[in-house]
Amino acid sequence: DAGITQSPRHKVTETGTPVTLRCHQTENHRYMYWYRQDPGHGLRLIHYSYGVKDTDKGEVSDGYSVSRSKTEDFLLTLESATSSQTSVYFCAISEGDPTDTQYFGPGTRLTVL
Amino acid sequence: GDSVTQMEGPVTLSEEAFLTINCTYTATGYPSLFWYVQYPGEGLQLLLKATKADDKGSNKGFEATYRKETTSFHLEKGSVQVSDSAVYFCALSDLAGGSYIPTFGRGTSLIVHP
Repeated sequence: DAGITQSPRHKVTETGTPVTLRCHQTENHRYMYWYRQDPGHGLRLIHYSYGVKDTDKGEVSDGYSVSRSKTEDFLLTLESATSSQTSVYFCAISEGDPTDTQYFGPGTRLTVL
Repeated sequence: GDSVTQMEGPVTLSEEAFLTINCTYTATGYPSLFWYVQYPGEGLQLLLKATKADDKGSNKGFEATYRKETTSFHLEKGSVQVSDSAVYFCALSDLAGGSYIPTFGRGTSLIVHP
């Protein structure tokens, strides 16, 4: 157990509303990631962080922002949710640098109506 | 950029059959290679990994060998069980050029029948 929790685990919201997903780790690892998983697309990186207040974009970052004010927490925000952002969102951490094994949280299922 | 291509599924097998899931990659540098498994309703978890050419990763009867000459990392198991039914993801992580973005394949669903 890599000590990763995600909240909420399920959320239903309406188009145009802001949504924040939280990832919390107890391992004090430097690297944290947000992915979305959709049928036919596999896993796609949204944003990642390599330290407190150090973040960068992944391949599908449009419409998403992130923040990391503490080592243990990595927040993903959808400023104005759209139906295309309906997905399962996974947080992950890696022990050392990104070539190390990633450990994934249990996921958040988000539905945007 | 880097990419991972794995065979499309679903792969449907009978219990005790031999399994191969193909994975090939392109990478700028010298990547580490991974197989992750995802059981229904859960996040991905590491199945095995290899960090240099000719390394063989193994776990729970699954094996994969890092083949630099063919840029491949095929997953094999000699005798599958119903409990192996899951989605399998091939992935790489490559620090060449300062890129910190891990790359995943699209996943291959495995269904094992009794």
